[in-house]
Amino acid sequence: NAGVTQTPKFQVLKTGQSMTLQCAQDMNHNSMYWYRQDPGMGLRLIYYSASEGTTDKGEVPNGYNVSRLNKREFSLRLESAAPSQTSVYFCASSFTGERETQYFGPGTRLLVL
Amino acid sequence: GENVEQHPSTLSVQEGDSAVIKCTYSDSASNYFPWYKQELGKGPQLIIDIRSNVGEKKDQRIAVTLNKTAKHFSLHITETQPEDSAVYFCAASRRPNDYKLSFGAGTTVTVRA
Repeated sequence: NAGVTQTPKFQVLKTGQSMTLQCAQDMNHNSMYWYRQDPGMGLRLIYYSASEGTTDKGEVPNGYNVSRLNKREFSLRLESAAPSQTSVYFCASSFTGERETQYFGPGTRLLVL
Repeated sequence: GENVEQHPSTLSVQEGDSAVIKCTYSDSASNYFPWYKQELGKGPQLIIDIRSNVGEKKDQRIAVTLNKTAKHFSLHITETQPEDSAVYFCAASRRPNDYKLSFGAGTTVTVRA
């Protein structure tokens, strides 16, 4: 099992460019999440998907869109990148239920110039 | 929404000493409190969790305590070792109604040899 995988590991964008961050999990989890991590602010939820075919906004959704392509894959898209979106992005997945644990991917470091 | 505060932001301890990290939460309905460890360049990994029907939980050198009345919970690491150096995050959620996690800002722990 690879667990949660994310691509790319690192990306540099210019302001206004677009890109999609990819996430896949092989644990048969039904819930998937996108977080951003900024210094001194912990992890903040951007979007989540409770199950295939559903997505919901988290704490900081502005400037992002998501697609739950299938049960395994959950992508995050920046349509017009801004310097404020410079961050480390983590994807996570879990079962939905009383005892689930969220498993995190290795992260994507994004720099917007 | 839930607000989780975490202290201290940095902690330096001598190898073999104990480390304590404290978190407070605002939502009295929160009932699940996990702790994550994040090593440099990696995603967060669950190390221990506690539910609101339990006051304390131990796993080898790690223990977590919960005070529901005061709405705070703590992570205790005994006999610290160099491999304990990492960033630690506390989190809270209300299960099963809301499985989203609200994270604290993190504590950078450095164990001095």
